[in-house]
Amino acid sequence: GAGVSQSPSNKVTEKGKDVELRCDPISGHTALYWYRQSLGQGLEFLIYFQGNSAPDKSGLPSDRFSAERTGGSVSTLTIQRTQQEDSAVYLCASSLKGESSYEQYFGPGTRLTVT
Amino acid sequence: AQSVTQLGSHVSVSEGALVLLRCNYSSSVPPYLFWYVQYPNQGLQLLLKYTSAATLVKGINGFEAEFKKSETSFHLTKPSAHMSDAAEYFCAVSARGNTGKLIFGQGTTLQVKP
Repeated sequence: GAGVSQSPSNKVTEKGKDVELRCDPISGHTALYWYRQSLGQGLEFLIYFQGNSAPDKSGLPSDRFSAERTGGSVSTLTIQRTQQEDSAVYLCASSLKGESSYEQYFGPGTRLTVT
Repeated sequence: AQSVTQLGSHVSVSEGALVLLRCNYSSSVPPYLFWYVQYPNQGLQLLLKYTSAATLVKGINGFEAEFKKSETSFHLTKPSAHMSDAAEYFCAVSARGNTGKLIFGQGTTLQVKP
């Protein structure tokens, strides 16, 4: 079956611009996660959605970052007024349930470059 | 707070040699532990996970890992390296009964020499 897909695969933007990154999880997966992979910080958790519950936003680095998940499926991560330190690969993952025992399936990521 | 430490950012082995990638965790209670592999320009793929059943966990591609509570370790091994094993490997921890969010180590790049 189809895995987790993300778009775009690459995004180059100018400092100060807003960007939107999209994630399509595996059908039927109720949990969705965003992670960021950067040279300086490694792999870090950003935000987690589970069904209709309030998201866990504890990993968002600043208020320029926000995310939503519409209809319990597709998710969009928005970065406002991008900065050069936002350059990273943004990974999305989904799992059947938001519990540690359930495997997370990762998408290929969106590589964001802020110039 | 939980954390994961991977010893060695780069490991180089010869084809056919033993692969040993080290991972130590810090957690107040035994967590769930994971090893992921990332090939260039791809997402992460789960190799194996420890969820408190057997302490020796077998995964895909011939990899296995042993959970040692006394050493707070979860090292990844493979008896004989293949060229196709060259990739970046991440150890991760997740708290039991939590949301499932993963805390990752810094990663280890495995190089396999012919």
